Amino acid sequence: DVKVTQSSRYLVKRTGEKVFLECVQDMDHENMFWYRQDPGLGLRLIYFSYDVKMKEKGDIPEGYSVSREKKERFSLILESASTNQTSMYLCASTPGTGGYYGYTFGSGTRLTVV
Amino acid sequence: EDQVTQSPEALRLQEGESSSLNCSYTVSGLRGLFWYRQDPGKGPEFLFTLYSAGEEKEKERLKATLTKKESFLHITAPKPEDSATYLCAAQGTGGFKTIFGAGTRLFVKA
Repeated sequence: DVKVTQSSRYLVKRTGEKVFLECVQDMDHENMFWYRQDPGLGLRLIYFSYDVKMKEKGDIPEGYSVSREKKERFSLILESASTNQTSMYLCASTPGTGGYYGYTFGSGTRLTVV
Repeated sequence: EDQVTQSPEALRLQEGESSSLNCSYTVSGLRGLFWYRQDPGKGPEFLFTLYSAGEEKEKERLKATLTKKESFLHITAPKPEDSATYLCAAQGTGGFKTIFGAGTRLFVKA
């Protein structure tokens, strides 16, 4: 069964900490995405990557960065965590050009910044 | 501006009571309209992709349809295990970005 695996289900971090969220997919997909999901706001795209070492900003990239050194791994980095980054973070992947395929999502990481 | 709006926000049904969820979209050059199911505390699970007006797809008690402005997710004789949030998303010709709606929370009571 194909999978997108996020390293942590729940995280609690302190304000100002540097936070790493890891995502690994085993489907040889080219495209990987990071979304955050907040009640009433739906899913909002933070960053995406369509190839190794390539990255593109989404709609809300401020305060975040990403790294994709290998095809299967896409990391989201919160440079200095703030309370307004408390959210559910979802990683997803698709093969080829994303418009023709649905996303495969991971189970999500619920991050709380205190 | 590309936009996806889902209604209602929440829907409560009795087991066996059929109904429909609505997704209105405004995107430039629709490439795909997607439906997902999301259970509490989990990531969304892909259900359907629709590509052109008039297209329909079915899976068990669910049927998705598409017009030029809307998509509907019809639920026939729902069961309590169909309770979840259903997300609609659309991608236009603007690139990789997929626009998600806020979702419809479905509750099915036995």
